[in-house]
Amino acid sequence: QLVLTQSPSASASLGASVKLTCTLSSGHSSYAISWHQQQPEKGPRYLMKLNSDGSHIKGDGIPDRFSGSSSGAERYLIISSLQSEDEADYYCQTWGTGIQVFGGGTKLTVL
Amino acid sequence: QLQLQESGPGLVKPSETLSLICTVSGGSIISSSHYWGWIRQPPGKGLEWIGSIYYSGDTYYNPSLKSRVTISIDTSKNQFSLKLSSVTAADTAVYYCQLVVVGAGDYWGQGTLVTVSS
Repeated sequence: QLVLTQSPSASASLGASVKLTCTLSSGHSSYAISWHQQQPEKGPRYLMKLNSDGSHIKGDGIPDRFSGSSSGAERYLIISSLQSEDEADYYCQTWGTGIQVFGGGTKLTVL
Repeated sequence: QLQLQESGPGLVKPSETLSLICTVSGGSIISSSHYWGWIRQPPGKGLEWIGSIYYSGDTYYNPSLKSRVTISIDTSKNQFSLKLSSVTAADTAVYYCQLVVVGAGDYWGQGTLVTVSS
């Protein structure tokens, strides 16, 4: 069964870096995912599509502070030089034959 | 720049059918690499995939909603639509339309709140 697992919460200080993790279920480690950001009271925004080899396709206007990497079944979203507006929920999404799945989301708090 | 816009009633009565349309502008809905989908988000909760449609008309639904969902596409109007039957209060959510592009970026509509209440 295709499942994405995310930690419910994360926190980091203003100006620091943070790495958020999305883990693919067993047998699906080659799958690509998308990362999306949802700021408070707003709709989701596409950040990037991340492949198993770490290559990624970012959305228009997404700052260079946002990057992605992969290791096995784990897909990472790295945010550097954290700003207050980065405080948001972050969701990963993947797709298989006839199905799409979202992770439960990680709420990022910028201290 | 591709844009997606949801439209439809903001209030639906219990047991009735929720109907929404997503209008696509700035590009064609007919593309072999595009999957057009519906996602919802109940108040205070995470994102839930409802289903997707390919330009050819092939559809894919969340197994938990499959018996109540119909997604269709109108290539002449550059629109795709969602119908969710027999709604209850648990279907109250913000509904988003989304485009997933194979090998490229995704796009989201701004979302529309649908409340199920008598």
